[in-house]
Amino acid sequence: DTGVSQDPRHKITKRGQNVTFRCDPISEHNRLYWYRQTLGQGPEFLTYFQNEAQLEKSRLLSDRFSAERPKGSFSTLEIQRTEQGDSAMYLCASNQGQYNEKLFFGSGTQLSVL
Amino acid sequence: GENVEQHPSTLSVQEGDSAVIKCTYSDSASNYFPWYKQELGKRPQLIIDIRSNVGEKKDQRIAVTLNKTAKHFSLHITETQPEDSAVYFCAAPSKETSGSRLTFGEGTQLTVNP
Repeated sequence: DTGVSQDPRHKITKRGQNVTFRCDPISEHNRLYWYRQTLGQGPEFLTYFQNEAQLEKSRLLSDRFSAERPKGSFSTLEIQRTEQGDSAMYLCASNQGQYNEKLFFGSGTQLSVL
Repeated sequence: GENVEQHPSTLSVQEGDSAVIKCTYSDSASNYFPWYKQELGKRPQLIIDIRSNVGEKKDQRIAVTLNKTAKHFSLHITETQPEDSAVYFCAAPSKETSGSRLTFGEGTQLTVNP
């Protein structure tokens, strides 16, 4: 499968716990994005990487959220001290960069915070 | 930042009819306007996009028109089929990131009745 893959597909956690999600982009894509989507809404930008550099974070993003892409390949998104309001679908996407903006999305990780 | 508004939020048509979804954006420097389709429980997928140097683009039954003066763009689906039923999202980039960050509209639930 050469698409964007995310793991896990579903995560149920208790409030206050830490969770980590993984995204494997399409191999030749140098840009990787994280979006969050809640029911009935469009995807909301969280952050993006070009290779291993994190170039932008949403100003709305809490400092409980951190993302890494250490070798410019896969990425992880960690949420510390989860809150019920963090419940959402976390989508990863990748593309080839500035001259090919088409985003390829993964299937997402559905997070439920109890 | 970019503000994208999408209308209508729901749209129901009879099979064979046309469907039109409209979006407005706020950033006059935006130069790339994609449309994504998201079927229930699946990932968003690009169906068509347009750049600011053209006013219209067509791909079989799908077309997108752009009015840069008025800062709005529209998705047109002709001869609708039941498999067109999905949520459709428009998006526009933020000039601050040269198109790297897409702001999505809130989506339009299209239902095509057989």
